[in-house]
Amino acid sequence: DIQMTQSPSSLSSSVGDRVTITCRASQSVRTHLNWYQQKEGRAPMLLIYGASTLQSGVPSRFSGSGSGTDFTLTISSLQPEDFATYYCQQSYTTPRTFGQGTKLEIK
Amino acid sequence: QVQLQESGPGLVKPSETLSLTCTVFGGSIGDYYCSWIRQPPGKGLEWIGYIFGSGTTTYNPSLKTRVTMSVDTSKYQFSLKLTSVTAADTAVYYCACTVLGTDADLQHWGLGTLVTVSS
Repeated sequence: DIQMTQSPSSLSSSVGDRVTITCRASQSVRTHLNWYQQKEGRAPMLLIYGASTLQSGVPSRFSGSGSGTDFTLTISSLQPEDFATYYCQQSYTTPRTFGQGTKLEIK
Repeated sequence: QVQLQESGPGLVKPSETLSLTCTVFGGSIGDYYCSWIRQPPGKGLEWIGYIFGSGTTTYNPSLKTRVTMSVDTSKYQFSLKLTSVTAADTAVYYCACTVLGTDADLQHWGLGTLVTVSS
């Protein structure tokens, strides 16, 4: 299985901050990397697929980059509704695997 | 916009079979493949497997001996069966469907349903 490792595991930031979350795959997944946002008690929601393509309806302050084994999710200016847990996931092969999550909290 | 709804018993006894259904609203079931994902309380996400509208399946090897997925196109439903459950199978179970032909994965999610394994 491809192991996905996110860093940091948790992060405290303020509204308006620029935030970057990193995801590393144990082997190349090319650009088959997706990011999800999960708010407390809710289902995850697809934010970005193909490493950098914004899912329809997702605000443009979210962006993704990377290829191969190293990827980043950036939120350019945090909004109150962005405080949540973020997961990366590879869809290069099966079994699909997720990172352990990054919990973004209000400072 | 497709909507998904999981349904099934919220409580299953150890050693019995967990059975869940995902109903697809607002889309043609043949246009999607659907995954099942689970999340134990307070933990991360685990992919269980996926099924196409044609019935083709791929399962997570870690669960493969206990999982069966099926599709009923007449009812717009995908189903999950997990046999010989233990407390470790206690989780919120989600279905997530993706339109064919896109690079996206897990595009549309249901609300999830909590299944507790307990006697």
